[in-house]
Amino acid sequence: GAGVSQSPSNKVTEKGKDVELRCDPISGHTALYWYRQSLGQGLEFLIYFQGNSAPDKSGLPSDRFSAERTGGSVSTLTIQRTQQEDSAVYLCASSLAEYRGGYTFGSGTRLTVV
Amino acid sequence: EDQVTQSPEALRLQEGESSSLNCSYTVSGLRGLFWYRQDPGKGPEFLFTLYSAGEEKEKERLKATLTKKESFLHITAPKPEDSATYLCAVQAIGGKLIFGQGTELSVKP
Repeated sequence: GAGVSQSPSNKVTEKGKDVELRCDPISGHTALYWYRQSLGQGLEFLIYFQGNSAPDKSGLPSDRFSAERTGGSVSTLTIQRTQQEDSAVYLCASSLAEYRGGYTFGSGTRLTVV
Repeated sequence: EDQVTQSPEALRLQEGESSSLNCSYTVSGLRGLFWYRQDPGKGPEFLFTLYSAGEEKEKERLKATLTKKESFLHITAPKPEDSATYLCAVQAIGGKLIFGQGTELSVKP
């Protein structure tokens, strides 16, 4: 597509429920990144994909967080047993090659855990 | 530990009042320094990449400069449409971008 598409744009969930966040990168972009942005905070790196593999998962906060990418395209970030501290905007970005810095970001998914 | 600090946290300017935003960094092996603009409810939009000390890049009213320890984003004669949060990020050996907390710029007419 023309840009990075994320869905849903907003998600309100009850504490303890699982959520799935989707990212559809720019066609042809092999690298895909997930970041989290909490209120008043900078962007926090979560995970990076090159193709379907994830060479760097170092930013995932706990084992409740997981991500996968299929067909070198769409990625899903799953948060199990959500907690209130998981509330944030989850941003996805893609780039043509590994860690090329001019990432193109999506508009994010605003997750609210109540 | 790789770290990025931006100042000020917030900046209010009158239209036409030039100023600068600061990004100080400590990183082992800088591969690049990046500036992004973020509007409310949107993802960051790429502005510039700087790779070595002394490098400068310009785009409309914005000019980014880089030294060995910091980068400046100079805004000349800003307009209300320049209001946004400006994010700085460094890319270290290993690749991922490390972001600062941003400077929220407000330009009043």
